[in-house]
Amino acid sequence: SQQGEEDPQALSIQEGENATMNCSYKTSINNLQWYRQNSGRGLVHLILIRSNEREKHSGRLRVTLDTSKKSSSLLITASRAADTASYFCATSRLYGGSQGNLIFGKGTKLSVKP
Amino acid sequence: DSGVTQTPKHLITATGQRVTLRCSPRSGDLSVYWYQQSLDQGLQFLIQYYNGEERAKGNILERFSAQQFPDLHSELNLSSLELGDSALYFCASSVALAGGAATQYFGPGTRLTVL
Repeated sequence: SQQGEEDPQALSIQEGENATMNCSYKTSINNLQWYRQNSGRGLVHLILIRSNEREKHSGRLRVTLDTSKKSSSLLITASRAADTASYFCATSRLYGGSQGNLIFGKGTKLSVKP
Repeated sequence: DSGVTQTPKHLITATGQRVTLRCSPRSGDLSVYWYQQSLDQGLQFLIQYYNGEERAKGNILERFSAQQFPDLHSELNLSSLELGDSALYFCASSVALAGGAATQYFGPGTRLTVL
């Protein structure tokens, strides 16, 4: 069963605008990751944020994590048509000495119009 | 390119048949994970192997099995296939870090169509 729930399910914006996607989850986590998937293709890792971090940046991406609210957000600034894809959040708990399996949300489908 | 390879890219087969999906992890990664992505269930974790041993099991059917070989590549075997098994199957790999978290890198997937 899904742990994370992304919101909104779909988002359509113009090139140059910012896109914000939210993710909520249910249980305590070790870390939270965001992935991008272009239509029917493989998942590309975007960013990982640990449970003791509150904010992380990578290029045009900004991720926040609020463990008290069990939520995270992904902000893509100055969006481009090439950002059109589905975005998933995934949470994990620690299994012994290695990372456990990822639990994915249903994703946000982002469409950036030129 | 994540460094994780999967073969074949596409597989079309009939109900009742058996198929094998193959995955080679990134160099140095000891953990391999299998996921299934379907329209109705989304992305679901199936099973994890670490250095040849099964580590965690998710929503994997009894008709499905996997193994990880000494060279660390992994195979997912799907048998007695049903129409509902049609999906994208992903393999991911990661470096195991004691007491820490590691990124999982995904392969391009195998699209299985059961007719």
